[in-house]
Amino acid sequence: GAVVSQHPSRVICKSGTSVKIECRSLDFQATTMFWYRQFPKQSLMLMATSNEGSKATYEQGVEKDKFLINHASLTLSTLTVTSAHPEDSSFYICSAPDRGSSTDTQYFGPGTRLTVL
Amino acid sequence: AQSVTQLDSHVSVSEGTPVLLRCNYSSSYSPSLFWYVQHPNKGLQLLLKYTSAATLVKGINGFEAEFKKSETSFHLTKPSAHMSDAAEYFCVVSENTGNQFYFGTGTSLTVIP
Repeated sequence: GAVVSQHPSRVICKSGTSVKIECRSLDFQATTMFWYRQFPKQSLMLMATSNEGSKATYEQGVEKDKFLINHASLTLSTLTVTSAHPEDSSFYICSAPDRGSSTDTQYFGPGTRLTVL
Repeated sequence: AQSVTQLDSHVSVSEGTPVLLRCNYSSSYSPSLFWYVQHPNKGLQLLLKYTSAATLVKGINGFEAEFKKSETSFHLTKPSAHMSDAAEYFCVVSENTGNQFYFGTGTSLTVIP
């Protein structure tokens, strides 16, 4: 079946540095990908919609200059957390719909746990 | 506007007894509805989905859910809980399966041996 991967699965960085998280659709093309953030013991909150070949669409309250999204190809979207601070520590999850499937199913990546010291 | 309400933040059941996780939704359109499970430090796994076909949907691991339009509900059930069912469960609504998902706040299921 379709698979979405994320890299890295876990990252620890110092405050002030930038961290890039990759989201890949492994056996299907995704013109759209979604980025979510999940705080401990809370639900997933949609951060932004990544669109291949155009600018990402950010949800209200999400700083686009802090969370840079690049959808470089039909199988890759990246989220860069710039000048990370401890409050950015969270679990980041991406998803991608497989519009080529008969059920137009959406698949989630395994997540990336970011810890900012 | 779409939204999901999971009525219980935490449910505790004994092993072998039935499980009921409640979910109510609000949608301006005919929604697609999903239940996902998340085990500790793991990604989301799709349990089942409703996409305007049969109102009683059967999923993996013995779970099922019934879409009731009149009650705007999509409750998740399982006849007999297993220890491995202990996890966080999310009810999700979408205008259609390929668009944005709106997550409920989650229900943490504990299974007592």
